[in-house]
Amino acid sequence: KQEVTQIPAALSVPEGENLVLNCSFTDSAIYNLQWFRQDPGKGLTSLLLIQSSQREQTSGRLNASLDKSSGRSTLYIAASQPGDSATYLCAVASNAGNNRKLIWGLGTSLAVNP
Amino acid sequence: EPEVTQTPSHQVTQMGQEVILRCVPISNHLYFYWYRQILGQKVEFLVSFYNNEISEKSEIFDDQFSVERPDGSNFTLKIRSTKLEDSAMYFCASSKTTGSYEQYFGPGTRLTVT
Repeated sequence: KQEVTQIPAALSVPEGENLVLNCSFTDSAIYNLQWFRQDPGKGLTSLLLIQSSQREQTSGRLNASLDKSSGRSTLYIAASQPGDSATYLCAVASNAGNNRKLIWGLGTSLAVNP
Repeated sequence: EPEVTQTPSHQVTQMGQEVILRCVPISNHLYFYWYRQILGQKVEFLVSFYNNEISEKSEIFDDQFSVERPDGSNFTLKIRSTKLEDSAMYFCASSKTTGSYEQYFGPGTRLTVT
């Protein structure tokens, strides 16, 4: 059964720092991995999707990497800003059949202080 | 840009009442999902739906839950007799059945059972 773990659970950094959020999963048979942002009480904003055949994806100040064999992904945020404060969720899609249900981590709660 | 919409944004109901949560997936998507997030917990998969039938359902999706695509645009989640523990944020998602299978999420419906 797929399990997704994210560390750290919470992170507080001063503005401008580069930071790394970690996601690990127990079953390497994934189809893709998505990183999401969630603001308090709000919905899920997709940030990056990495296919299982890819090693990394970049969007602006965000870079996500994937090491499928070791069951790990990292989300790198460059030059963090107060507006980056949110919870960051990692979710993996199953490779079984055509059903790509997402299995989620609990998230990393990020606070970027001015 | 096409988006998934959900109504209502917030639903308050009494225990034992039936509720219907509505979603309009992206028009050329054929795979539909419901997820829920209890406050402070992981996002959990409930059910996936393809070709007018359930593709997979989780242990949470018991006889109290049902899904339907009543017409060409809507996708609904019905809870027959709500319990206090059904209070959660419910997210609808849709995806294509080719390519990345990236799931696009609606803004969610916050269900409060009193």
